[in-house]
Amino acid sequence: DTGVSQDPRHKITKRGQNVTFRCDPISEHNRLYWYRQTLGQGPEFLTYFQNEAQLEKSRLLSDRFSAERPKGSFSTLEIQRTEQGDSAMYLCASSIGLLYEQYFGPGTRLTVT
Amino acid sequence: KNQVEQSPQSLIILEGKNCTLQCNYTVSPFSNLRWYKQDTGRGPVSLTIMTFSENTKSNGRYTATLDADTKQSSLHITASQLSDSASYICVVSEKGGSYIPTFGRGTSLIVHP
Repeated sequence: DTGVSQDPRHKITKRGQNVTFRCDPISEHNRLYWYRQTLGQGPEFLTYFQNEAQLEKSRLLSDRFSAERPKGSFSTLEIQRTEQGDSAMYLCASSIGLLYEQYFGPGTRLTVT
Repeated sequence: KNQVEQSPQSLIILEGKNCTLQCNYTVSPFSNLRWYKQDTGRGPVSLTIMTFSENTKSNGRYTATLDADTKQSSLHITASQLSDSASYICVVSEKGGSYIPTFGRGTSLIVHP
């Protein structure tokens, strides 16, 4: 399968714990996006990378959130000191360029208890 | 603030019937508009993309229209199938800079046999 993959698919954690998600984009896609989606809502933009450079971050991305794409391939999204409000689906997408279609991964469902 | 509003919020139709979903946006300056289909628990999948100069785009039984003057788009589904049951999300990107997309909340479509 050459699509966007995300790991894990589901994560249950206790409030206050740290979690890290991984996204593997389609190879040769230089742009990678992170979104958050809560039930009944559309995805909300969090941040995006062009190659290894993080070019923009949403104000939704508080200090507890950090994303990296160290070699311009896979990316990680870490949430520190999780809160119940962080419970959501975290989606990753990649594209070959600025105006090209974004291909989404299956998402990581986070539940904070 | 850029906004994308979709209607109806939910829709139930019988298999074989047609339906039309609406999207109004305030994103400016406009770059492109996409319609995505999102099955429950999965990432969105692109159906169509339209730029400013395009007013109709088809993808099989899906036809999207765009009126850039009134900032409205519609997605028409012909001869609905049970597999069309999903959330349909309208996404509008702003021109210039990062082209960060704004997502609508989606229309939840249920097709009954």
